[in-house]
Amino acid sequence: EVQLLQSGGGLVQPGGSLRLSCAASGFTFSSLAMTWVRQAPGKGLEWVSTISRRGDSIYYADSVKGRFIVSRDNYKNTLNLQMNSLRVDDTAVYYCGKPIGGPGVEWLDPWGLGTLVIVSS
Amino acid sequence: DIQLTQSPPFLSASVGDRVTITCRASQGISRSLGWYQQEPGKAPKLLIYTASTLQSGVPSRFSGSGSGTEFTLTISSLQPEDFATYYCQHLDSYPLTFGGGTKVEIK
Repeated sequence: EVQLLQSGGGLVQPGGSLRLSCAASGFTFSSLAMTWVRQAPGKGLEWVSTISRRGDSIYYADSVKGRFIVSRDNYKNTLNLQMNSLRVDDTAVYYCGKPIGGPGVEWLDPWGLGTLVIVSS
Repeated sequence: DIQLTQSPPFLSASVGDRVTITCRASQGISRSLGWYQQEPGKAPKLLIYTASTLQSGVPSRFSGSGSGTEFTLTISSLQPEDFATYYCQHLDSYPLTFGGGTKVEIK
């Protein structure tokens, strides 16, 4: 059974940093790209970042580029999201997602349960 | 960047109704579009990918169609568990984007 276990959310002050993790099991983690998506309270879904299976290609939304860093450890089957210079509008539930297949078929299923990040003074 | 516009943003319907949601892309994306369902407080769930392929385990009352810039999600006979918010997403090119969502409510 595929599982995505998320951790690392919480309350942080504006300008602060936070690291989210997504521990994967039940599939060959190193063979698939992985994606982060977020959802601000009461709002829609926003794609944040996708990292290739080897970690050599990483794509970011303009809203987080230069502040967030995505990485992966294919030995520990873990996806990470390092969030720096956090702003109030980064407050959201952050989801990691596993694609159903390789390039061109990277629709997300399943998703992790999500972790809440609150940026507030 | 490719923008996805969903309509309507809200939809009120009854059990048994046929429901159609539209997603329009700001430029052609071939068939690189998927649909997700999100129930309150839960993670999204993939329903349809590549415009019309039903994800494994998804009931056959859900169907998708379209190509290029206009896509539709149809629920042939709305069930109580279908009252949720639906999002489209494209995979044509980065940045990937989602539509604004369509909330399906009970009439």
